[in-house]
Amino acid sequence: GESVGLHLPTLSVQEGDNSIINCAYSNSASDYFIWYKQESGKGPQFIIDIRSNMDKRQGQRVTVLLNKTVKHLSLQIAATQPGDSAVYFCAEIAGNQFYFGTGTSLTVIP
Amino acid sequence: NAGVTQTPKFRILKIGQSMTLQCTQDMNHNYMYWYRQDPGMGLKLIYYSVGAGITDKGEVPNGYNVSRSTTEDFPLRLELAAPSQTSVYFCASSKQGRDEKLFFGSGTQLSVL
Repeated sequence: GESVGLHLPTLSVQEGDNSIINCAYSNSASDYFIWYKQESGKGPQFIIDIRSNMDKRQGQRVTVLLNKTVKHLSLQIAATQPGDSAVYFCAEIAGNQFYFGTGTSLTVIP
Repeated sequence: NAGVTQTPKFRILKIGQSMTLQCTQDMNHNYMYWYRQDPGMGLKLIYYSVGAGITDKGEVPNGYNVSRSTTEDFPLRLELAAPSQTSVYFCASSKQGRDEKLFFGSGTQLSVL
């Protein structure tokens, strides 16, 4: 199967700072990528997606960057808030299936 | 609009017991999925369905069975529970499949002792 991994398993940031969560993927044929947020005891929740014909996509306080040359995906969260504390997964879509990374645990320090 | 609903939230089984994890969605989505989530691991696909009456194996189907008699429901059956099936199970759905984001239920935490 495909491997989707994260550079850091944990990340701690001060409230108000920006957060950057990274993800590496291995299948150059993947053409759709999604970031999910998973709070403790809950299912993953969609944050933002990006297709391979784009390099950047912005949402509300979040930005996803895609670098196809090095097969790298990042999620940037602006002005991180305590409610952003969660595990963040990236997923790549290859063929007809989703492949999820192991996740990065983000802790926001008040 | 409740989205994807899973029951039960928690369950403890003895080795060899059987049970069904229930999943229902009210979004009229064609695609439904079952994933398991083990500590430190990414979500692994167990089974999926592209519509009523159609199911297919995912990455880790052994020890599980599914059925899809209606668009709304996609139950997951464990026939002979084993400790290796201790995990958190998530049901998900999407409207069309690969180019659509997944909507997840809140999960079922299963322990097999």
